[in-house]
Amino acid sequence: DTEVTQTPKHLVMGMTNKKSLKCEQHMGHRAMYWYKQKAKKPPELMFVYSYEKLSINESVPSRFSPECPNSSLLNLHLHALQPEDSALYLCASSQGPVTPFGTGNTGELFFGEGSRLTVL
Amino acid sequence: AQSVTQLDSHVSVSEGTPVLLRCNYSSSYSPSLFWYVQHPNKGLQLLLKYTSAATLVKGINGFEAEFKKSETSFHLTKPSAHMSDAAEYFCVVPTSGGSYIPTFGRGTSLIVHP
Repeated sequence: DTEVTQTPKHLVMGMTNKKSLKCEQHMGHRAMYWYKQKAKKPPELMFVYSYEKLSINESVPSRFSPECPNSSLLNLHLHALQPEDSALYLCASSQGPVTPFGTGNTGELFFGEGSRLTVL
Repeated sequence: AQSVTQLDSHVSVSEGTPVLLRCNYSSSYSPSLFWYVQHPNKGLQLLLKYTSAATLVKGINGFEAEFKKSETSFHLTKPSAHMSDAAEYFCVVPTSGGSYIPTFGRGTSLIVHP
């Protein structure tokens, strides 16, 4: 199984709603990532979990709250979002934390299909 | 610090003609390098990767890339474009800001004309 599965594929929410995005992988990967992607732009890193611990938070607003319940699951909890948060949210995993070339994991990412979020 | 630059935001070709998407990187060491493709409203799929074996790397769907350390380049090529190649292409290199993270180039939109 080389898949990263994201649910839901589409989500529409109001600014006062609370919702969650889910991501699952069964490849035994120990690093998982959330990216945000706006149209015609590259993915922007939001969070990285390494061995189920948050290792990178790219100064993301607190209305986005990540959670890694176990090594296979990654959630992104959403609360009080703004319309500008509408985007494609991509989950990815890698074998382990990225390390300098030649000293371990090379950084190949496996992506899910994404969750398209619309905030009204 | 490492960085990655995709030189063209858009590349337009006719079906059946060669494709060249350019990527340059800066790094104090020989990094691993990746090309990903994203079709509209889809996630990203790995096209190919360089991890220090052969400098000419073959990927899926007929794409190739050559690692040239002297030019710090990792350009993506394909001999003959198909309509189905129309997509967004991203060059990625791990960069360091304390921890190493995969960093994306700005992307190149490949347009294929009939």
